[in-house]
Amino acid sequence: GQQVMQIPQYQHVQEGEDFTTYCNSSTTLSNIQWYKQRPGGHPVFLIQLVKSGEVKKQKRLTFQFGEAKKNSSLHITATQTTDVGTYFCAGADNQGGKLIFGQGTELSVKP
Amino acid sequence: ETGVTQTPRHLVMGMTNKKSLKCEQHLGHNAMYWYKQSAKKPLELMFVYSLEERVENNSVPSRFSPECPNSSHLFLHLHTLQPEDSALYLCASSQGRQTTNEKLFFGSGTQLSVL
Repeated sequence: GQQVMQIPQYQHVQEGEDFTTYCNSSTTLSNIQWYKQRPGGHPVFLIQLVKSGEVKKQKRLTFQFGEAKKNSSLHITATQTTDVGTYFCAGADNQGGKLIFGQGTELSVKP
Repeated sequence: ETGVTQTPRHLVMGMTNKKSLKCEQHLGHNAMYWYKQSAKKPLELMFVYSLEERVENNSVPSRFSPECPNSSHLFLHLHTLQPEDSALYLCASSQGRQTTNEKLFFGSGTQLSVL
């Protein structure tokens, strides 16, 4: 069945450093979504990408959807302590399959 | 506040108990979901309801029984659970009827411990 893999599982950075998490699917996706879950909190929707090669920015966050629509990345420039949390990607295959979540990347930021 | 309210926030139960988790959404959405989040594992989809009709049952053991009396309320009835069922149970809702590409709004979750 469809699998969504996310790497790395953990990332520890110094405040001000950049951070990237990668998401790879075993099948072609119709769309990819990204969520952020703060420690002790619940997942909060960040963005959805639909088009091949799409790039979207939200302030210091840059989201990309691969040309083949099988991978995606989230890049944070100059991390801040408020960026701490777990970032999840979630994708649905283009056969009408259900939304599958990656296992998340837990980001910690040292001030 | 996401507009999705879950109660209780924490629940401790024995393996012989029967309890229910409640979820209410105030967003006018048409689909509601139950997810299980265990430590070190991805969110696992359990059940999906679209317009009060169950459209997804993801091979969940029968000791978990969902109920959706209307488009705003969703319950998860629990009985004879096992310790490995301890997890954070998250309710979510989405606006449209199609459940594969909709933005999800999550509740705060119920942290369940089974002793």
